Amino acid sequence: DAGVIQSPRHEVTEMGQEVTLRCKPISGHNSLFWYRQTMMRGLELLIYFNNNVPIDDSGMPEDRFSAKMPNASFSTLKIQPSEPRDSAVYFCASSPRLALTQYFGPGTRLTVL
Amino acid sequence: TQLLEQSPQFLSIQEGENLTVYCNSSSVFSSLQWYRQEPGEGPVLLVTVVTGGEVKKLKRLTFQFGDARKDSSLHITAAQPGDTGLYLCAGAGGRDDKIIFGKGTRLHILP
Repeated sequence: DAGVIQSPRHEVTEMGQEVTLRCKPISGHNSLFWYRQTMMRGLELLIYFNNNVPIDDSGMPEDRFSAKMPNASFSTLKIQPSEPRDSAVYFCASSPRLALTQYFGPGTRLTVL
Repeated sequence: TQLLEQSPQFLSIQEGENLTVYCNSSSVFSSLQWYRQEPGEGPVLLVTVVTGGEVKKLKRLTFQFGDARKDSSLHITAAQPGDTGLYLCAGAGGRDDKIIFGKGTRLHILP
């Protein structure tokens, strides 16, 4: 079975541009998580969904960040406008349900110049 | 706010040595997980512990959950270069059983 799929794997953009990161969770998993990882702050939970519904978005840094999950097999994380401090690796993870094992995708390395 | 503190942040040792890394909190967790992350990849689950005092072994890795379910340790015997990576602990707890991650211990085993 395919694991969590993320695209793109790498994204380089200029400050002010819109960035959209995509995630396809493992089929049958009910929970989906978006994380951001940096050396300074470690792995930070941005938002998570349960059955396609956003449950907790308290980790979203500011209004420039938004996430959607229109169906059980697709989610997006959008940054508009992007800033250099948004540079990080963004991970998507899914789990059969909350508090169970999370399966992580390979991540998207975002660089904002 | 629940927090997980991992120590040490960095550890570099010679192949064949033993080591222990720690994951501590003032909060009680219903379960605790250890993940390993290699460069360029996402974290991968190693083990889940759910009972206070529980000990689990995975080859040369020994995981222990504290009696009060507030802390955990990972002991590696005879470390090998393949053990190199970022070790993350993650605890599930709180009202909605959300999982939170520590910042990790970056382990480097020298051949």
